[in-house]
Amino acid sequence: EVQLVESGGGLVKPGGSLRLSCAASGFTFSTYSMNWVRQAPGKGLEWVSSITSRSDYIYYADSVKGRFTISRDNARNSLYLQMNSLRAEDTAVYYCAREIHSTVSFDYWGQGTLVTVSS
Amino acid sequence: NFMLTQPHSVSESPGKTVTISCTRSSGSIASNHVQWYQQRPGSAPTTVIYEDNQRPSGVPDRFSGSIDSSSNSASLTISGLKTEDEADYYCQSHDSSNQVVFGGGTKLTVL
Repeated sequence: EVQLVESGGGLVKPGGSLRLSCAASGFTFSTYSMNWVRQAPGKGLEWVSSITSRSDYIYYADSVKGRFTISRDNARNSLYLQMNSLRAEDTAVYYCAREIHSTVSFDYWGQGTLVTVSS
Repeated sequence: NFMLTQPHSVSESPGKTVTISCTRSSGSIASNHVQWYQQRPGSAPTTVIYEDNQRPSGVPDRFSGSIDSSSNSASLTISGLKTEDEADYYCQSHDSSNQVVFGGGTKLTVL
C-alpha cells in the first residue's frame, strides 16, 4: 500500500525557517518524481515544488522561489522541503504528492502537515 | 503562465448528473493533460481523473473526464450522484516549463 506521511509542521515566526519531511513507503520511491502542494486555510490548492526521481530537475512556484528548497534522499525514501524566510502567506497545510510517471499529475497524496507563520 | 477557471459552486440532486467545467485562459487546453482531484472536508485530495479522461483504479465509472477544444475547457462529469460525492473538486494542468496550475476549485453540493 502506498503511503506518504508528512511531518515537521508547526508554528514559526515570520522570517523563520522550517524543514518538512515526507516519508514514503509501499512503492519504489527512487523511480518517482515527487511534489509539494499547499493549501492555505479555507483556500484552494497551490503547487509549491517538484523534483524528479534522481533530483536532476527541480521546479518551484514563483511564490517560493529563492526561499524554499526541495530535496530527496532515495536511500531513506524521504522527500524534504526546507522553508526559509517564512511569511504569513506561507501558512498552509503542506501535502507531498507522488507524480504519475511522465504526466505532471498526482496519484497519491499524504495527509498533510500544517505550517503556521505568525508572531 | 495561464489560469484555470472553475465555477465556484454547483449543486444537484442525488441520482442526477452534474458537469464541472475548467476553462484555460490562454494556450490550448489540449496542449497538456488535465487532471481532476476530489477533496472531502478535512481530508487530503484524491485523484478521480488523470490525463484528461483516465480513471485510477478504484474510482467508479460514474466519474468521467473530457476536453473541448472549441471552448478551451475540460469537464468532469459525475453521473448517478451520491451524497458521498459532495466535496471540492479541483482541475490541474501544467505549462511547458513544468509549472503546475490548479483551478480555484468547485464546491459540489448534493442535495
